Amino acid sequence: AQSVAQPEDQVNVAEGNPLTVKCTYSVSGNPYLFWYVQYPNRGLQFLLKYITGDNLVKGSYGFEAEFNKSQTSFHLKKPSALVSDSALYFCAVREGENKLSFGAGTTVTVRA
Amino acid sequence: GAVVSQHPSWVICKSGTSVKIECRSLDFQATTMFWYRQFPKQSLMLMATSNEGSKATYEQGVEKDKFLINHASLTLSTLTVTSAHPEDSSFYICSASPWSGVDTQYFGPGTRLTVL
Repeated sequence: AQSVAQPEDQVNVAEGNPLTVKCTYSVSGNPYLFWYVQYPNRGLQFLLKYITGDNLVKGSYGFEAEFNKSQTSFHLKKPSALVSDSALYFCAVREGENKLSFGAGTTVTVRA
Repeated sequence: GAVVSQHPSWVICKSGTSVKIECRSLDFQATTMFWYRQFPKQSLMLMATSNEGSKATYEQGVEKDKFLINHASLTLSTLTVTSAHPEDSSFYICSASPWSGVDTQYFGPGTRLTVL
């Protein structure tokens, strides 16, 4: 089965500092990887996905993620975090044609 | 664009009663809809996938007679929790896709169910 792991429950950074949210994957074959963000009282919002091609994927709101096959990782990054980036972030992997398997989520808190 | 709504946003019911949750795609036709369950501080767990006019496909371990899913139109899917019990209390999230497959999903804001 395909799966992803988010090793950190929480990430705390100061505004303006770089933000990294970690994700590692375990798949057979080529992985299709996704990042979503969940704000309070709002639905999950798509940030970016990796299907194939460049290892560096650029997404919404200034986020990017780097696919690293040797380390089986797909970490989410933002060069300069904003207070408004405080939210719950999920990494996910496609499992079959009709299923996404999500990680446990990482709560990001950006302090002013 | 690509807005998905859920109603109600929260509901409290007595044990043994049934609760219906609606999921609507407001500005697109949803070929496929998905229902997830999210426990506090845990991940989303896929419960079932439904295509308009077809029976839902349930994930292993999900009781299809307890969690009734109806995808009656291209913009509406409903989840009915029958004979609810306190262990059914959870956050239920739907998502919708204009195509088959999971690569493009638009998520609803979720429904908080509390069973007393």
